[in-house]
Amino acid sequence: ETGVTQSPTHLIKTRGQQVTLRCSSQSGHNTVSWYQQALGQGPQFIFQYYREEENGRGNFPPRFSGLQFPNYSSELNVNALELDDSALYLCASSQPIGAPQTGELFFGEGSRLTVL
Amino acid sequence: GENVEQHPSTLSVQEGDSAVIKCTYSDSASNYFPWYKQELGKGPQLIIDIRSNVGEKKDQRIAVTLNKTAKHFSLHITETQPEDSAVYFCAASETSYDKVIFGPGTSLSVIP
Repeated sequence: ETGVTQSPTHLIKTRGQQVTLRCSSQSGHNTVSWYQQALGQGPQFIFQYYREEENGRGNFPPRFSGLQFPNYSSELNVNALELDDSALYLCASSQPIGAPQTGELFFGEGSRLTVL
Repeated sequence: GENVEQHPSTLSVQEGDSAVIKCTYSDSASNYFPWYKQELGKGPQLIIDIRSNVGEKKDQRIAVTLNKTAKHFSLHITETQPEDSAVYFCAASETSYDKVIFGPGTSLSVIP
């Protein structure tokens, strides 16, 4: 069983640029959540995708957007990058909603974004 | 919205001693309380969770307690080992498939 994989692992951007981060969910998982983890802090919920639709959003501006594809992989897009966007971006997949639900989030190792 | 607080922010214990991490939450609608462990360079990993219909749950050296009236929940690790050294996050959500809100984390160091 393949776990959650994220790419790229590290990237550097400058203010005002745009970035796309990618995530492949664990096999059989149709729900993907994205989190932002600033240094020394807990993960902050950005949004969740279920069956290609956004299914909940945290307190992040519209320049943070996402997509989920028919194979349940997902992208996080951030436009007009700001210095405060520098963080580790974590993707997590979970078991299908409605299935015997353990609630466990399976995290990837994250994409570390630095904005200069 | 939900807010999860966690104490202490850092904790250092001798190998073999116990470690306790305490959390509070604000949203009375929360019913699912997972705990995650994050090692350096890795994503968080679930170590134990508890639902609101249960007051206590134990898994080997790890136990969690929940006081829904007071909106408190705690993680207890007994007989700590150096490999327990990591950052621990408590979290809360309304159901096990809703958005999960994390606390700020506790950095646990177990000294051999």
